[in-house]
Amino acid sequence: DGGITQSPKYLFRKEGQNVTLSCEQNLNHDAMYWYRQDPGQGLRLIYYSQIVNDFQKGDIAEGYSVSREKKESFPLTVTSAQKNPTAFYLCASSWQRFSNQPQHFGDGTRLSIL
Amino acid sequence: SQQGEEDPQALSIQEGENATMNCSYKTSINNLQWYRQNSGRGLVHLILIRSNEREKHSGRLRVTLDTSKKSSSLLITASRAADTASYFCATVPPSGGSNYKLTFGKGTLLTVNP
Repeated sequence: DGGITQSPKYLFRKEGQNVTLSCEQNLNHDAMYWYRQDPGQGLRLIYYSQIVNDFQKGDIAEGYSVSREKKESFPLTVTSAQKNPTAFYLCASSWQRFSNQPQHFGDGTRLSIL
Repeated sequence: SQQGEEDPQALSIQEGENATMNCSYKTSINNLQWYRQNSGRGLVHLILIRSNEREKHSGRLRVTLDTSKKSSSLLITASRAADTASYFCATVPPSGGSNYKLTFGKGTLLTVNP
C-alpha cells in the first residue's frame, strides 16, 4: 500500500539534545512538508521541499532543520535551539506539478520533553 | 498566520442528525480543502473545491463555497459515531497555482453520540 510512514510514534527529548523525526513516502510525490500541531490549534508549516536537494522555510522554521537527499525521505531535526518543542509533528506529501491536488499525511510523531 | 477560521469550535450531535461546520478566510484563494483528523492520527483529505465552483458533493459530504463572503461550509448528512473527529479547512493561495502553501484553520471538533 502506498502511503507516508512517520517514526517514531512517540519521542522524548532531553535538555540540550537534538532529535530527528523520520518521514518516508512511497507515493512518488515530488513535494513534502512538515507541520507542527499544538493542542486545540491548526497546523503550522515548519519546512517544505518541492524537489530533491531543495527546501524552503515555512512559517515557524526557527529551531528546526531538514534535509531532502532522496525523493522518498524528508527527515526533520528538532534542535536544542527550539525551546518549546513539545507538540504533535505531521509530515505530508503531494504532487507538486498539479495545483489542485490534496496533501497526504502520515500519522504523526508526538514529541515531549523529559 | 491563520487564514481559515472554523465555526463552531466544537459541535455535539446525535447519530443520524446532520452536522454543519463553517470556515471563513481572509484573502483570495485558488481552492479550499477540507480534512478530517481522528484523535492522535494524521489528517485525511475529504474534499477540494476550486474558487470557480460553488458546491461539491462526495457521499454524505456537501461543501459550498461563497467567494464573495470568503466562506465555506461542510455538511455531513446522517452522521455516524465514526464521524467523530476534528475537521479542518485549508486554503491555497492563487499565486503561482502551487498547492504547497496550505493554510489551516484551528478546526471544529465534532462529537457524534450513539
